[in-house]
This record gives sequence, structure tokens and C-alpha cells, in this order.
Amino acid sequence: GIQVEQSPPDLILQEGANSTLRCNFSDSVNNLQWFHQNPWGQLINLFYIPSGTKQNGRLSATTVATERYSLLYISSSQTTDSGVYFCAVPLIKAAGNKLTFGGGTRVLVKP
Amino acid sequence: DTEVTQTPKHLVMGMTNKKSLKCEQHMGHRAMYWYKQKAKKPPELMFVYSYEKLSINESVPSRFSPECPNSSLLNLHLHALQPEDSALYLCASSQDPGSTDTQYFGPGTRLTVL
Repeated sequence: GIQVEQSPPDLILQEGANSTLRCNFSDSVNNLQWFHQNPWGQLINLFYIPSGTKQNGRLSATTVATERYSLLYISSSQTTDSGVYFCAVPLIKAAGNKLTFGGGTRVLVKP
Repeated sequence: DTEVTQTPKHLVMGMTNKKSLKCEQHMGHRAMYWYKQKAKKPPELMFVYSYEKLSINESVPSRFSPECPNSSLLNLHLHALQPEDSALYLCASSQDPGSTDTQYFGPGTRLTVL
């Protein structure tokens, strides 16, 4: 099956700093999702981005499908950005859509 | 509205108990999912329901029994669980089972098996 790898595994930021998270995948994909999992466990959709660049406030994402990677940019980080960031790619299997997650990047933003 | 709800938020059960987790969505989505997430690990798919029929079972032990009573509801029945089954159980839904649509997740049920 497809392999999804994220880096770095852990990231400590000072409030206000910028950062880039990376997601590499081993095969071509039709879609890619970025999630933020908050400390209470809720997985929040950030981006649905099969290719190109999207922006949402202080966050933006770029997927280069031909080179099999996606980047998530966090600008002017805030303490509420803390949590785990996952990228995930879908695989159509039988009559269903299986999401394969990367290992996650654990982010701590210090005040 | 992109909300998926799950109850209960927390559940503690003994190895001989029978309990159920419940998931609900009112977005008209026709695919619903159960994922299991252990601490410091990514979510792993357990089951997929497409148009209220079980379409994917990722070799999950029979002590986990899913049920989809209608297009808005998804249950996970638990029986004779082991302590290693303690985890966060996440429900998700998406519009079209045959596509790579965005999946929307509920807040999860944190299960502890004693």
C-alpha cells in the first residue's frame, strides 16, 4: 500500500514564529487532506488539496503531486496551533475510501 | 453544517461488559467510517459503510461489531474487549463512497478497558 511520511516528528515553536511541515507519499494520489488534532482529540479539517496551493488565514498548503509531497505552512504561530498535524491520502478500495495517515507532526507553540 | 457527533465522550468498561458507541451525521453523507487511534499514533481504519452496507472490514476482531441502522447513524458494539483495545475511537463520514471526498471526523470516544 501507499506509504505516507511526515517530518519533522516534533516541533517546538515560539509564539509568532513561522514553520513548514512536510508530507511525502510513495505513489500518485487523487487527493490529500491536512488535519489538525487538538489536545482533546478532535480531528479538524484544514485543507483538501490534491494539487496547487490553498490559503486559510495564517495557514497555507501546497501539494506538488508530480513530486509526491505536500507542505503545510504555519505563519505567526499561536498557542492554539499546538497539537498534532496529520496529512492523509485516500485509496479507493472496494466500495469505500480508505484514508492512510502519516505519522503526524507534534507541534508545541510556547507563549 | 459539517458536524459529526459521537456519544459517549468517555467510556470505561470491564472485559465482560457489553457497550455501544454511537455516531450521527446529518449531512446526507452516504459513507461512514470507524477509526481506532492509539496514543501517539495516527488513526487506523476499522470499518467502512457505503450506502448502509459494510464495504470494508480491515480484519477487525469480532469483539467489535459495527451496525448502520440508517443513513445517518453508525454504531459500534463492543463485547469482551481486552485492555489493549483502550483507545480513541473516531467516526467519520464523507459524501460519496466511491470517490476521494473529504472525510469529516467526530470528536471521538475515549475508551478505557479495565
